[in-house]
Amino acid sequence: QKEVEQNSGPLSVPEGAIASLNCTYSDRGSQSFFWYRQYSGKSPELIMFIYSNGDKEDGRFTAQLNKASQYVSLLIRDSQPSDSATYLCASQTGANNLFFGTGTRLTVIP
Amino acid sequence: KAGVTQTPRYLIKTRGQQVTLSCSPISGHRSVSWYQQTPGQGLQFLFEYFSETQRNKGNFPGRFSGRQFSNSRSEMNVSTLELGDSALYLCASGTSFSYEQYFGPGTRLTVT
Repeated sequence: QKEVEQNSGPLSVPEGAIASLNCTYSDRGSQSFFWYRQYSGKSPELIMFIYSNGDKEDGRFTAQLNKASQYVSLLIRDSQPSDSATYLCASQTGANNLFFGTGTRLTVIP
Repeated sequence: KAGVTQTPRYLIKTRGQQVTLSCSPISGHRSVSWYQQTPGQGLQFLFEYFSETQRNKGNFPGRFSGRQFSNSRSEMNVSTLELGDSALYLCASGTSFSYEQYFGPGTRLTVT
């Protein structure tokens, strides 16, 4: 079983809609969770991180963490074509290394 | 503040050769982690260095090694290259106070 699981998609949403990206993790000792965005041919870019149960909002992005269900999600409100990318979920446990999911490809349709 | 830099950006090597990749972290960052990204396996952790010491290591063979210098710059070495080593190699830097990591542009290694 992989440490972090994501639906590979692709996920398509119309411009202006809410995109919902989901991630589950297997290690209950995981402490911190990160969402990275990766455009084709580019390196991952950190967009959100969350340590505590609940919601964390940053502009159009909201990260949600439910440690009891071992579930992390990212909501993108008012989706734009420029949001089209692969979104990577990562967990951190103890030592300073990240376990990444395989990513969800998001396409925002104008 | 300048971001993470990696050199070279592209590299073509032949099976059996060795290669050294370089990473300069964000100024003030003392942690450098290395990852391999392939279409089939995604992003996989290689190792992490902090203050010139390897703190953590992933499940890669001993052909993959690294080091960190006193100025926090890091190098990664792969010996006896195999075709399967073709990948994007990413380094990420971080502080000692949090777990956020910031990636460099990567080195695209092709082994023929």
